[in-house]
Amino acid sequence: EAGVTQSPTHLIKTRGQQATLRCSPISGHTSVYWYQQALGLGLQFLLWYDEGEERNRGNFPPRFSGRQFPNYSSELNVNALELEDSALYLCASSWGTFDSYNSPLHFGNGTRLTVT
Amino acid sequence: SQKIEQNSEALNIQEGKTATLTCNYTNYSPAYLQWYRQDPGRGPVFLLLIRENEKEKRKERLKVTFDTTLKQSLFHITASQPADSATYLCALPMNTGFQKLVFGTGTRLLVSP
Repeated sequence: EAGVTQSPTHLIKTRGQQATLRCSPISGHTSVYWYQQALGLGLQFLLWYDEGEERNRGNFPPRFSGRQFPNYSSELNVNALELEDSALYLCASSWGTFDSYNSPLHFGNGTRLTVT
Repeated sequence: SQKIEQNSEALNIQEGKTATLTCNYTNYSPAYLQWYRQDPGRGPVFLLLIRENEKEKRKERLKVTFDTTLKQSLFHITASQPADSATYLCALPMNTGFQKLVFGTGTRLLVSP
């Protein structure tokens, strides 16, 4: 089966611009998660979508937003980019909340966002 | 909030030895705990899940223990190989009943031939 795919693999933006990152989950998975991994730091939870709804949000400012489409793919938008937004953005998918709440996450290989 | 502690220093061992990584957590005891492997520039890959009522879980050369009294999980790799070199992350749910996983910062394992 195809894994989680993310695009683009690399993205270079300047401060103040907007970035859009995309994620396609594994077929059958309805939950999509976004994590930020800054250099040398751990994974920081950003957003969780399930069945098209935002289920939970991490401690990030509102300029980090996203959505989940009817086909369960997802988009992460970062507005007014700041230098500290430079990081690896990871998307993961899993079975839906009420199907198997302790199911593992399947990660894509991320989008490396560089803000200059 | 839940806090996860993993040894931030790299663990260097020789090929063939057993590697043991530690994951400690504070606050409430989670219903389960997961371990992932992450290679540089790649996303984490799920390895093992252990539930609160399980003391030990094995998968090939991997073994995970879960001590809810000590609030600690140990991750063992027996007969380690250079290909096992990677960063290993533990993760557990932020809140009971929710799938939002919180990850530790990981421990880097280096296995030398």
